[in-house]
Amino acid sequence: DQQVKQNSPSLSVQEGRISILNCDYTNSMFDYFLWYKKYPAEGPTFLISISSIKDKNEDGRFTVFLNKSAKHLSLHIVPSQPGDSAVYFCAASDSGGSNYKLTFGKGTLLTVNP
Amino acid sequence: NAGVTQTPKFRVLKTGQSMTLLCAQDMNHEYMYWYRQDPGMGLRLIHYSVGEGTTAKGEVPDGYNVSRLKKQNFLLGLESAAPSQTSVYFCASSQSTIGELFFGEGSRLTVL
Repeated sequence: DQQVKQNSPSLSVQEGRISILNCDYTNSMFDYFLWYKKYPAEGPTFLISISSIKDKNEDGRFTVFLNKSAKHLSLHIVPSQPGDSAVYFCAASDSGGSNYKLTFGKGTLLTVNP
Repeated sequence: NAGVTQTPKFRVLKTGQSMTLLCAQDMNHEYMYWYRQDPGMGLRLIHYSVGEGTTAKGEVPDGYNVSRLKKQNFLLGLESAAPSQTSVYFCASSQSTIGELFFGEGSRLTVL
C-alpha cells in the first residue's frame, strides 16, 4: 500500500511560469513532510520541509503548501528555471520527522523548457 | 568538501556472488542510511545506523547486512546476490534523526 503518492510521473512547464508538483498521503499519522530534488547520476538533495503545525513554508522560489484535511501537499516553484529540471521526491514521516521513518513517493520528473 | 562518497559507482555481479558497498562521510554525522531505488518506486530504506557500532533494519533489509565499525563508514553487504537486488543504492547521512539527509551519488548494481 503506497502511503505517499505522486500521481504525476512527469510535468513540463515553460521557463518563467509556475511549476506545481503534487503529493498525496494516506497515513494520518504523518506529521513532517519534505521535498528532495534529484538530478541524473546524482544523489537526492534536500529542498524544503514543512511540519504539520504549519500550512505553508517558503524558501526563495520554492513554497510548500500543506492541506491536512485533504492529506495533500504541493510544491510551487516560481518562476521556474531550466536548472529546476529534475526528479522531485515527496517524503513523509510519522515520528516528528525521524529520518528512519521516512516514506518516499515515486517522484515526479519536472522539465522546464527554455 | 567530499560529503558522502560511495564506492564502487558501478558493479556487475553474477547470481550468488557477494560484494560490499562502502559509504564514507566526512561531516562527522551520527546517523547513516542505506536506501535502494528501483524504477517506478521511491527510495526504500534498507538499514540504518544511529551511531558507531549500531545498526538497525529498515523497510527492506532481507538479503543485506551492514556494519558501522567506524563513525565515518557504513558498509552494505550482499551475502549471495540475487537478480532482485539489481538496483541503484544510495547512502545518506544526517547530523540528527530529524532534518536534512545528505546523499551520495549512488551505486548502480546489476545482478545477472
